Amino acid sequence: QQQVKQSPQSLIVQKGGIPIINCAYENTAFDYFPWYQQFPGKGPALLIAIRPDVSEKKEGRFTISFNKSAKQFSLHIMDSQPGDSATYFCAASIYGRGSQGNLIFGKGTKLSVKP
Amino acid sequence: DTEVTQTPKHLVMGMTNKKSLKCEQHMGHRAMYWYKQKAKKPPELMFVYSYEKLSINESVPSRFSPECPNSSLLNLHLHALQPEDSALYLCASSQDWVGEQFFGPGTRLTVL
Repeated sequence: QQQVKQSPQSLIVQKGGIPIINCAYENTAFDYFPWYQQFPGKGPALLIAIRPDVSEKKEGRFTISFNKSAKQFSLHIMDSQPGDSATYFCAASIYGRGSQGNLIFGKGTKLSVKP
Repeated sequence: DTEVTQTPKHLVMGMTNKKSLKCEQHMGHRAMYWYKQKAKKPPELMFVYSYEKLSINESVPSRFSPECPNSSLLNLHLHALQPEDSALYLCASSQDWVGEQFFGPGTRLTVL
């Protein structure tokens, strides 16, 4: 119940394409869903996050879509660029005092954007 | 200052050595975390400090010993490590239990 399932494991798109990464969870107590971007040899960087009170959140070229009833959320990258090539992790946690702040990570998606 | 810093960037140590990893943040965050990340895997939580007190220890072997000297600093003391402990060690911080976690760049540890 604590798992977050992420797919696909790897993804190759052409420059300008729209890669989509999907995550699914079981624990209905989760109410905070961040996405992290990680370049080789670097720490994960928080990209965008969503709470269940909205179905979509957009920041620049990055959009999270959230489907509470299906317990799924996804990351879309508009007009992808070679510089977006990285590993993307979705995560889930319970956002509140006493939650212990544990982030449950998906297994990651390695994205390659070809020029 | 909106970043988490970690030193050293790289560390090579023998199995009998004692070394320490250091993490620092000046964002006023009161929760700090240590994660271990193996290649092509997500970060795995090791320890959580909240208000300078250890609140979570995810069954980490005693050869890893965390320390939180003050609200801005987090150390991880290493002793008698094994080659399988080689990994990227990440520090993160968040405002409280609530809030986004911000990660440092990590320390690449190699145990010979």
